[in-house]
Amino acid sequence: SQQGEEDPQALSIQEGENATMNCSYKTSINNLQWYRQNSGRGLVHLILIRSNEREKHSGRLRVTLDTSKKSSSLLITASRAADTASYFCASTTQGGSEKLVFGKGTKLTVNP
Amino acid sequence: NAGVTQTPKFRVLKTGQSMTLLCAQDMNHEYMYWYRQDPGMGLRLIHYSVGEGTTAKGEVPDGYNVSRLKKQNFLLGLESAAPSQTSVYFCASSYSRLAGLVSTDTQYFGPGTRLTVL
Repeated sequence: SQQGEEDPQALSIQEGENATMNCSYKTSINNLQWYRQNSGRGLVHLILIRSNEREKHSGRLRVTLDTSKKSSSLLITASRAADTASYFCASTTQGGSEKLVFGKGTKLTVNP
Repeated sequence: NAGVTQTPKFRVLKTGQSMTLLCAQDMNHEYMYWYRQDPGMGLRLIHYSVGEGTTAKGEVPDGYNVSRLKKQNFLLGLESAAPSQTSVYFCASSYSRLAGLVSTDTQYFGPGTRLTVL
């Protein structure tokens, strides 16, 4: 079963705008990660946030984690056409850190 | 470093045929994984391995077998292919004891194998 569920399923914005994607999960986690997948390619790791962290930044990416609500959000600021991709959240559950459980993804389209 | 490579990139099978997908990694990673990705379903774990000579079942193992005879290789086998196994298959690896990484959970993915079963 899917651990994470991303919202929205699809998002279309203009270049320069910010994009926010949300992820909800079901069980307690060790950490939560976000991956990106360009069309026809494998997934690429973007950022990891641990269960004891609330916010993390990497370049134009900002991730927040609310363990009380079992949710995370990924913000991409000043989006570019090259950010067009699908974005997946994935989590490792407590006691099972060797496995990631992926959500179904958000398909982001950034229009030039 | 090539990272994670997968062969073949594309394959078309007839129902009942068998095949083996090969995954290789050159990062000295201990853990390796096989996923399938179907439209609207995200990635689902088929089998995984936490070390040479070990394998374990994931979320959707039925109809697949795996072997990890060498640390750098992880093979996924379909003994009798079915149309329901039409999918894109991804291999991933993670965790190097020698790298001294703080995080052992980040996975590195191959480019995928697109399999069609007629």
